[in-house]
Amino acid sequence: DVVMTQSPLSLPVTLGQTASISCWSSQSLVYSDGNSYLNWFHQRPGQSPRRLIYRSSNRDSGVPERFSGSGSGTNFTLEISRVEAADVGVYYCMQATHWPPVTFGQGTRLE
Amino acid sequence: QVQLQQSGPSLVQPSQTLSLTCIVSGGSISSGDSLWTWLRQHPGKGLEWVGHTFPSGDAHYNPSLQGRVAISVDTSKNHFSLNLYSVTAADTAIYYCAKGPTGDKIDYWGQGTLVTVSS
Repeated sequence: DVVMTQSPLSLPVTLGQTASISCWSSQSLVYSDGNSYLNWFHQRPGQSPRRLIYRSSNRDSGVPERFSGSGSGTNFTLEISRVEAADVGVYYCMQATHWPPVTFGQGTRLE
Repeated sequence: QVQLQQSGPSLVQPSQTLSLTCIVSGGSISSGDSLWTWLRQHPGKGLEWVGHTFPSGDAHYNPSLQGRVAISVDTSKNHFSLNLYSVTAADTAIYYCAKGPTGDKIDYWGQGTLVTVSS
């Protein structure tokens, strides 16, 4: 199984600051089609996760430009600029290149 | 806009079968580049992929569930289902259905169902 490792696991931030979350995979996530199938999800307390970023750097419809994803191979980053109160919750990376199984990082709690 | 509505019992007895259904609305479960997924989240923990199925019924599962799981699709009812057999307390979790394209796997989640395994 591909192991996904996130850092940090807890991220205290001040409103208006920039938050950065790292995600490493135990194998390269580059698929034969050249894409890295790495998603980022945000889960608010008591809610279902919502996808923010797909294929490492593509923002989903309706996701603010403050959210950006980058990386390739085994090293990926989610950056949130000008953090707002609504951004609190847990952020997960997920790899969809090597399956089964699809695997997730442990989650990073933004507080 | 495709919506997912989950249904099923919130309490299952140990050794019995956990059965959940995810009803797809606003689109066809048979649409070409689609994948239909079940995941779970143990209380206060992270996310675990249970398995997924293509519209054809070709399903793939998490090896950690050791052959206890089956995901099926009913195109006539536009829904897909999860059966988890011989459950124990360790299967207590919030179960989510989800959808997505075959490459990215998941782009939208259902509302989740907390299933408790207890006598």
